[in-house]
Amino acid sequence: DAGVIQSPRHEVTEMGQEVTLRCKPISGHDYLFWYRQTMMRGLELLIYFNNNVPIDDSGMPEDRFSAKMPNASFSTLKIQPSEPRDSAVYFCASSPRGRGDGYTFGSGTRLTVV
Amino acid sequence: LAKTTQPISMDSYEGQEVNITCSHNNIATNDYITWYQQFPSQGPRFIIQGYKTKVTNEVASLFIPADRKSSTLSLPRVSLSDTAVYYCLVGDKDGGSQGNLIFGKGTKLSVKP
Repeated sequence: DAGVIQSPRHEVTEMGQEVTLRCKPISGHDYLFWYRQTMMRGLELLIYFNNNVPIDDSGMPEDRFSAKMPNASFSTLKIQPSEPRDSAVYFCASSPRGRGDGYTFGSGTRLTVV
Repeated sequence: LAKTTQPISMDSYEGQEVNITCSHNNIATNDYITWYQQFPSQGPRFIIQGYKTKVTNEVASLFIPADRKSSTLSLPRVSLSDTAVYYCLVGDKDGGSQGNLIFGKGTKLSVKP
């Protein structure tokens, strides 16, 4: 298995533009998580899905953020419009049954909003 | 979810044993203790998980006292490649209605030659 695949690895965009981050979880994992990491705030859970259904989105910072999981093999995190304070590394992770010892993280997308 | 407290940073030298302690005073009966490791420019990866007493695998050992209010991750004979951030997490082992992991700031371990 190739692991959790995220794209793009790096994204530089101008303030006000729409940004879409993509994630392909490990096949068979029924939980998918989006995290954001910054120096100031560390790793923050934004949203997670179980069997493609959003379960908890209380970590999504604002209405500018939205996430979808149209099928078991694909998820997107969209920011519209983007702002400089959204600059961070965004990680996607998947897990079988949500087990704490089973999280596999992707390599992340480093987003820079200028 | 139980809150965890761990040192912000630690320094060590190659070949030494490193022990990182995590406090989780309000751990619940069903909670497990899990440690993750994160290298620069990578996502965290699972190291070890335990419920009580001692757990050992090829990477580390985890010591949990009887009251389970703290735990200690032990890394034997560290090398430069063990330089990373180590996260202690407490929560249900399985998903259900609580299928997520909440990461704190972690402990930044720096191993020097």
